[in-house]
Amino acid sequence: DAKTTQPNSMESNEEEPVHLPCNHSTISGTDYIHWYRQLPSQGPEYVIHGLTSNVNNRMASLAIAEDRKSSTLILHRATLRDAAVYYCIPRSGYALNFGKGTSLLVTP
Amino acid sequence: GAGVSQSPSNKVTEKGKDVELRCDPISGHTALYWYRQSLGQGLEFLIYFQGNSAPDKSGLPSDRFSAERTGGSVSTLTIQRTQQEDSAVYLCASSPTLGNQPQHFGDGTRLSIL
Repeated sequence: DAKTTQPNSMESNEEEPVHLPCNHSTISGTDYIHWYRQLPSQGPEYVIHGLTSNVNNRMASLAIAEDRKSSTLILHRATLRDAAVYYCIPRSGYALNFGKGTSLLVTP
Repeated sequence: GAGVSQSPSNKVTEKGKDVELRCDPISGHTALYWYRQSLGQGLEFLIYFQGNSAPDKSGLPSDRFSAERTGGSVSTLTIQRTQQEDSAVYLCASSPTLGNQPQHFGDGTRLSIL
């Protein structure tokens, strides 16, 4: 599995955009980049995934670098409910290999 | 619709006892996954099922751990002769099939071994 590097923590103000970075320089050409998040006392929740092109859904946008060695999860307007640990996962098999993730704090 | 359901939500037991954890996947999902999350190890993969079959059991931490799935639906994870290091949150996820599809997680069973 590709190794990932994410900031341990980030902080954002409510209603501002948040850019969560992830480095995955050893990713293979067929690995999709998945993002999950985990709110306190809950199981992980799927956010978004992509291969090469940028992706948008109702929760977030995913920007993937042209060389695929990094990606950025974009929350367009952070809310207090977005406070969670965000995991970037280059997926090469059936299992999800969770790293330590980024703990996002959202302040009013 | 109904999500992944796990029971019990909390379980406290004495060291040496056997425990059984249950997972009800989303209806129609053929792929089912077990993970555990502990303070020291983070979130780690244990085993997956495609239908009733578990092709790869190498993620299970020891031979005290076993899992089965019958009827392509409900799965149970059994831990025999529990040890204190088994204390963790055990999470179950399901997806429509194997492959690159999102996994839908339950809220887990918090297992505490006294």
